[in-house]
Order: sequence, then structure tokens, then C-alpha cells
Amino acid sequence: EAGVAQSPRYKIIEKRQSVAFWCNPISGHATLYWYQQILGQGPKLLIQFQNNGVVDDSQLPKDRFSAERLKGVDSTLKIQPAKLEDSAVYLCASTLAGGYNEQFFGPGTRLTVL
Amino acid sequence: AQRVTQPEKLLSVFKGAPVELKCNYSYSGSPELFWYVQYSRQRLQLLLRHISRESIKGFTADLNKGETSFHLKKPFAQEEDSAMYYCALSMGAQKLVFGQGTRLTINP
Repeated sequence: EAGVAQSPRYKIIEKRQSVAFWCNPISGHATLYWYQQILGQGPKLLIQFQNNGVVDDSQLPKDRFSAERLKGVDSTLKIQPAKLEDSAVYLCASTLAGGYNEQFFGPGTRLTVL
Repeated sequence: AQRVTQPEKLLSVFKGAPVELKCNYSYSGSPELFWYVQYSRQRLQLLLRHISRESIKGFTADLNKGETSFHLKKPFAQEEDSAMYYCALSMGAQKLVFGQGTRLTINP
């Protein structure tokens, strides 16, 4: 079975620029997550979707970050404008709905903000 | 507040020696705990979950509610065990809180 796909794999931008990341979850996985992983730290949940609805976005910096999952499949995460402290790996994960199911992670997008 | 603490950022042991990666959690509800692992150049993946009470690749972890711990153990380390290990706490609604991770290095 194909895994979670993410693109791009690497992105370098200057501060105040905009950037967008794309994620395609495993087919049939209703729940999708975006995590931010800063160097030396564990992944931190930014937003959780169930189908095309937001379950939890309490840690998403909404003044600059936005995310959508319009058709309940692919998702995009956008940062506008980027700050230096946004430099991190952005991970997408998906899982089946319900219960304590395993989360399957994508390869991540490494963002560097100069 | 819910929190997962992995006190060791780095852990180095010799091949064949026992390994213990520590994890402590803070959560007022009924915890569900997991260990995720990331091998070099690979994706983060589930190693084991306490609810399954399973042994994966020789690793086991026991939930100790009294000590709020979920330490990962293996009696005899192998070189292929070298990786980043993350302890994670589920607070329901399939939401995970991760620890900072421990980089395990197995020396030949």
C-alpha cells in the first residue's frame, strides 16, 4: 500500500515570504494531521482533520498558518508570512478513524527560513 | 497539562548490552502510550503500543501508572536498533503528544 506522500521535500525561503506544503494521506484514512518538528524536539501537533472538518487546531498559529482539506483527501498547509522560527520539518500523518490507531507518517518537508 | 518527558537526549550502549529508554508522562486521565521510532533516512513509525502488550523487535514497554512511566527495554541491543525513539501519549480523539526523543546509538 502506498504511504503518506508529501511535497516538496525541501524548501528554502526568506522571512516574510509565503510557502505551502501538500500532503496526500493513505487511501481510506479519514483522519489527517500536520505536525511541526523543530530541531531537537519531538513532533508538535498543529492541526487535526477528520474528513474535511477540523477536530483540533488549538496549537496552530492562526495569524500566519492556515490549513485546509477541502475534499477530505489531500491537504495543504500554508504559512504567510514566514518567520525565522518557522524553520522546522513539517510532518503529515494519517490514520483510520476511531480507536487508538497507528498514525502513518510522511517523509516530511524541511523548511528553512532565512 | 499533558506532558511527556524523555530525560535522555542521547544514549549510547554496546552491542549485546541491555537497553532502557526512559519515558515519564503527566496526564490526569487514562493514558494510552506508544513508542515511535525513526531509523536513519526513514519515516517516523510505530514501534509498539502499551495496549497491545506486545514485543516488537525484542523491545517491550510496561505502563507503570504509579510511577507514570512507560520505559522501553531490550535485553540485548543490536546495531540495527540505532535510531531516534519517541515516546507518545494519546489523550483521546486520536491526538498524540510526543516527548523530545532519545537518540540511541549501539556501538559495535
